[in-house]
Amino acid sequence: EVQLVQSGAEVKKPGESLRISCKGSGYSFTKYWIAWVRQMPGKGLECMGIIYPGDSETRYNPSFQGQVTISADKSTSTAYLQWSSLKASDTAMYYCARQTRVSATVTPFDPWGQGTLVTVSS
Amino acid sequence: EIVMTQSPVTLSASPGESATLSCRASQSVSSNLAWYQQKPGQAPRLLIYDTFTRATGIPARFSGSGSGAEFTLTISSLQSEDCALYYCQQYYSWYSFGQGTKLEIK
Repeated sequence: EVQLVQSGAEVKKPGESLRISCKGSGYSFTKYWIAWVRQMPGKGLECMGIIYPGDSETRYNPSFQGQVTISADKSTSTAYLQWSSLKASDTAMYYCARQTRVSATVTPFDPWGQGTLVTVSS
Repeated sequence: EIVMTQSPVTLSASPGESATLSCRASQSVSSNLAWYQQKPGQAPRLLIYDTFTRATGIPARFSGSGSGAEFTLTISSLQSEDCALYYCQQYYSWYSFGQGTKLEIK
């Protein structure tokens, strides 16, 4: 079974750093792009960026460029999303999701991880 | 950036009826259009991709149609379990989602 399992919920203070993870299993992790998607409370879905674990090529939504860093470790089949200095406005649910076709970016997302809730509050 | 607009915002229908959800793109996205279902506390689930292809395990009650910039998701023989938020997504140029349609079952 193809599966993405994300790290648990986080509560942080403004200015703190954070890295959340997404571990893939049941498929060749290096051959499929992984996306990170933000869902703010009561709001819709925004794709923050994508990464190809095979060579770590990364593409960012301009709205998130410089705000977050996406990385991957193919030795552990894990993708990461990290912040160096969190803001209250980063409070959201974050999902990772795999693209559906090998090495392709013009595809929908399936499956999705279960989500990681990040709460930033002083 | 391609903007996706869904209508209606909320749709209420009875069990056994059909529901039609619409999605419009600000420019043509060819057939690169997907639909997702999201239930409270859950991640989105892919229903339809490439405009009309059902994802694995999705019942035939769910069907997609359209082309270019106008798309439709039709759910026939509504069941209580279909109560959810439904999002369309274009993957023609980067990725953008509609704001969602909330389907309520009376």
